[in-house]
Amino acid sequence: QQQVKQSPQSLIVQKGGISIINCAYENTAFDYFPWYQQFPGKGPALLIAIRPDVSEKKEGRFTISFNKSAKQFSLHIMDSQPGDSATYFCAASMSGATNKLIFGTGTLLAVQP
Amino acid sequence: NAGVTQTPKFQVLKTGQSMTLQCAQDMNHEYMSWYRQDPGMGLRLIHYSVGAGITDQGEVPNGYNVSRSTTEDFPLRLLSAAPSQTSVYFCASTPGQGNYGYTFGSGTRLTVV
Repeated sequence: QQQVKQSPQSLIVQKGGISIINCAYENTAFDYFPWYQQFPGKGPALLIAIRPDVSEKKEGRFTISFNKSAKQFSLHIMDSQPGDSATYFCAASMSGATNKLIFGTGTLLAVQP
Repeated sequence: NAGVTQTPKFQVLKTGQSMTLQCAQDMNHEYMSWYRQDPGMGLRLIHYSVGAGITDQGEVPNGYNVSRSTTEDFPLRLLSAAPSQTSVYFCASTPGQGNYGYTFGSGTRLTVV
């Protein structure tokens, strides 16, 4: 019930291409879906987040698409750059008393020049 | 603002030893959490706190203790280290109830031999 499933585990994209990472959840009480970006040796950093009352959110080259009925959300990175090479984590939480953040297993993205 | 500060950055322990991982934040955040990161498993919640004096267990609490005597500090104690606790540990904080992003520290890489 608390799981967030993420795919693929790893992804190789050519510079300028589109990177797509998918996540699925089971608990319909989740109401906040952030994506985190992590570079080697660093802690995860918040990249972009969405609430279930919207189907899409865009910030620069990064877009979250959200499908509430399918309980799925995805991260799209347009015009992928070598500097985007990192591990990406989706996550979900329930606002309220605990606000615990549950993470997916991560996707290692490599953008080839 | 320093954000979330974790010490030490690296630590090697022998099986059976105990130690405390330190975490401090200077953002006056109410909520703090400890995660461990293992290859292929994402970030798993160990313990969390919703305020000074209030802590609760996450997904993988066994072998770890926490306390929260002040808003700023949230130390994680390993009672009797085991090789299975070899991992990278991250502390994170968020303002409180509601949907806000978590700010992560830079992590502690722990090896238990």
